Amino acid sequence: QVQLVESGGGVAQPGGSLRLSCAASGFTFSSYGMHWVRQAPGKGLEWVTFIHYDGSKKYYADSVKGRFTISRDNSKNTIYLQMNSLRPEDTAVYYCAKNQREYSGYDAFDIWGQGTMVTVS
Amino acid sequence: SYEVTQPLSVSVALGQTATVTCGGKNIGRKNVHWYQQKPGQAPVLVIYRDTNRPSGIPERFSGSNSGNTATLTISRAQGGDEADYYCQMWDSSTAWVFGGGTKLTVL
Repeated sequence: QVQLVESGGGVAQPGGSLRLSCAASGFTFSSYGMHWVRQAPGKGLEWVTFIHYDGSKKYYADSVKGRFTISRDNSKNTIYLQMNSLRPEDTAVYYCAKNQREYSGYDAFDIWGQGTMVTVS
Repeated sequence: SYEVTQPLSVSVALGQTATVTCGGKNIGRKNVHWYQQKPGQAPVLVIYRDTNRPSGIPERFSGSNSGNTATLTISRAQGGDEADYYCQMWDSSTAWVFGGGTKLTVL
């Protein structure tokens, strides 16, 4: 079945780095744009970043621009989130999510992973 | 930047109809999507492009979007519908936007 599995979360010190991964299965990964969305404890959802199906375009929320980098390896059906210069306000559950339509990026997020917790303290 | 507003909470009696709103300037011109999130779980898409239900989502869930308000309607509300509900859309100036979320309580 269609599935996304995140990994790589943990505890980091302010100014430190972490790298998250999201492994996809059950669909043609190389045809879909992918997102990272985060949720701070007790707060709402916040879109973080998006990468086109072929990695040609990437977009970032202002809150992470210049510190976070999204990438993908279509041979491994995996996207990554490299998080540098971490701040306490980056503490959140990080979800990866699949764009609903192929070769697009402006649609609903139809499949979500279970999330991975990042704590900056 | 594009801003959207959701009520913090909505209550509905068991078996009655709940409405969750998402307000924004000319939101009727955008494609609005809705997600349900239960405690400790990932969000689940329940309505896409204003009115469409993904497979597996009950017909009790419906959506509309016009003017400055998009609406998620849950008919015959059940205890299992208790959750946080988020609207989401794409905006050319702000990129992907989520509403602040609405906590639905079924009494």
